[in-house]
Amino acid sequence: QVQLVQSGAEVKKPGASVKVSCKASGYTFTSNGISWVRQAPGQGLEWMGWITVYNGKTDHAQKFQGRVAMTTDTSTSTAYLELRSLTADDTAVYYCARHLSRSLDYWGQGTLVTVSS
Amino acid sequence: DVVMTQSPLSLPVTLGQPASISCRSSQSLVYSDGNTYLNWFQQRPGQSPRRLIYKVSNRDSGVPDRFSGSGSGTDFTLEISRVEAEDVGVYYCMQGTHWPWTFGQGTKVEIK
Repeated sequence: QVQLVQSGAEVKKPGASVKVSCKASGYTFTSNGISWVRQAPGQGLEWMGWITVYNGKTDHAQKFQGRVAMTTDTSTSTAYLELRSLTADDTAVYYCARHLSRSLDYWGQGTLVTVSS
Repeated sequence: DVVMTQSPLSLPVTLGQPASISCRSSQSLVYSDGNTYLNWFQQRPGQSPRRLIYKVSNRDSGVPDRFSGSGSGTDFTLEISRVEAEDVGVYYCMQGTHWPWTFGQGTKVEIK
């Protein structure tokens, strides 16, 4: 069965970077893209961007321009999200989700990133 | 960006009664391939989102048939025919037609 297992919670200081991982299993990793979606405490869902796994092409929402990097390691079926220059507004649960036909069919369990001095 | 507007934002429902959530988009969600990429997700308290419906009206495997989706163009609806206790949570629509993909604000379903 398809599973996306994310790395554990992180606490970072303002200005630092964070890298979240998402390990996929149960399907051919290169056949689907991976999106990243975040959810601030008590708030709704915000799509951040996605990566086409087979060729590494990425696209992301304009608000994250210059601060976000999405990569994959096909040898371990793992996707990564790196977010730089963190502020308190980046405190959120970060989800990875698998693409299928312009939708997100399977989601990871989420990774809480807390930014605090 | 396409704005997705849900209503109501809060929906108290009596067990066994129907519930309906509206989602409107600021642009048509018909894609160049003729499909309409409108999805519905359920997020139970403390859980990750779970997809219920894709392409307006297609139910995911394992989703009870009391959930149904309908609509076209810019106007969409998620209906629950008879609300059960396990349906408590927040429901989001999401469009996958236009980049960037965007979500509605969410509708919180609770039991009266």
